[in-house]
Amino acid sequence: GAVVSQHPSWVICKSGTSVKIECRSLDFQATTMFWYRQFPKQSLMLMATSNEGSKATYEQGVEKDKFLINHASLTLSTLTVTSAHPEDSSFYICSRPIPGTYNEQFFGPGTRLTVL
Amino acid sequence: AQTVTQSQPEMSVQEAETVTLSCTYDTSESNYYLFWYKQPPSRQMILVIRQEAYKQQNATENRFSVNFQKAAKSFSLKISDSQLGDTAMYFCAFMKPNNDMRFGAGTRLTVKP
Repeated sequence: GAVVSQHPSWVICKSGTSVKIECRSLDFQATTMFWYRQFPKQSLMLMATSNEGSKATYEQGVEKDKFLINHASLTLSTLTVTSAHPEDSSFYICSRPIPGTYNEQFFGPGTRLTVL
Repeated sequence: AQTVTQSQPEMSVQEAETVTLSCTYDTSESNYYLFWYKQPPSRQMILVIRQEAYKQQNATENRFSVNFQKAAKSFSLKISDSQLGDTAMYFCAFMKPNNDMRFGAGTRLTVKP
C-alpha cells in the first residue's frame, strides 16, 4: 500500500488565495522530506528539502515567501502556496527517503493545483 | 551542478520487442546513484531500477536492465519483451549521497499492440 500520501489530490483556487498541500509519511517517521514541482509534460524539479524541526532548504530560484514549507512533525510536511497566481498551476509531488537504502525515495501521488 | 540529459523525448515500440532509452549525466562526484523511474498516466512515480556508481556490474530487474558506462557518464535502460503496461514517461535520475535527486526531462514511451 501507499507509504506517502498527499492531500488534496486536486485543488482549484482563485488567484490571490493561499493553498496548503499536505504530505504524510504513513509508515515511517521522516526527518527529511522533499517537494518537487512538475509542469505539464516536463520533468520533476526539486523545490526544497523539508527538515523536521528546522527551516526548509530551498533550491536556487524558489521563492521562500511564496512556497512556505512546514515540517512540524515526523510524519507531516506541508507546502503552502501563498497568494497563488495562474503561473503557480502545476503538479506538486512530495517524497521521503526509504529507510535501509542509500538514497531511494518513496514518492507521493502528487497534487494538481489549478489557479484560476 | 549535476545535469541529466535524456535526448529522446518520445519513443515507441511494438509489444514484445526490445527498446533502449538513453540517459547521460554530468558530474564531478565519484560516489553517486542512478535511477530510472516510470511515471504512468496516474502520475505516481515508480522506481524501475537503480545503479550504484561504485558497482561495475549492470543492474537488472526482470525485463529491465541498464547499460552503465561510468567513464562515458551514460546510463541507458533496456526494456525487453515490452508490454502494454510499460507505456509511460520514463525519467532518468541522478542522486548524490545527501539525497539531492535530479531528473532528466523524460522520455515518453508508447508500447503498441
